[in-house]
Amino acid sequence: DTGVSQDPRHKITKRGQNVTFRCDPISEHNRLYWYRQTLGQGPEFLTYFQNEAQLEKSRLLSDRFSAERPKGSFSTLEIQRTEQGDSAMYLCASSPLLGASPLHFGNGTRLTVT
Amino acid sequence: DAKTTQPPSMDCAEGRAANLPCNHSTISGNEYVYWYRQIHSQGPQYIIHGLKNNETNEMASLIITEDRKSSTLILPHATLRDTAVYYCIVRVTGSQGNLIFGKGTKLSVKP
Repeated sequence: DTGVSQDPRHKITKRGQNVTFRCDPISEHNRLYWYRQTLGQGPEFLTYFQNEAQLEKSRLLSDRFSAERPKGSFSTLEIQRTEQGDSAMYLCASSPLLGASPLHFGNGTRLTVT
Repeated sequence: DAKTTQPPSMDCAEGRAANLPCNHSTISGNEYVYWYRQIHSQGPQYIIHGLKNNETNEMASLIITEDRKSSTLILPHATLRDTAVYYCIVRVTGSQGNLIFGKGTKLSVKP
């Protein structure tokens, strides 16, 4: 399967700890997106990369959150000093640069902060 | 905020066509309509998208009204595995292109 891959699938952590998630997009997809989804809600946009450049960040992305895509391939999302409100599914998506190309999502990382 | 309106839930009998409506009355001329679905504990799955013409692929058909203010996703022969939340999204092409999701329609296919 050459779809978007996310690791880990599940993460349980204690409040105050740091966590890092990884996303491997579909090969040659220039665009990479991070979303967050809480129970009963649709996914909410967090941030977007075009190649290695982070071009947009949502107001949801507090200063405890940081995302990188160092070589324009895989990406990491780090949450520092986790809070219980950070518990959610974190989704990664990728798409080619072509204008109307759809985003393709991975199956997410479910974070539980205890 | 999401720019689409969908019913919160719908039921469909297995083997029948499922017709999911979406209103997007403020759609602009350069905005596409996209449909995704999400099965519990999985990421959203792309289904289909269109600008103004009707579209069909192996999963579904998309019917867009002539004024583009509404659309319908049609699953021609719904199966139990089509039970999911279906999202209708409008998206400006040429921008960074992130999708803004609403709450979608929970489709329950019943035997």
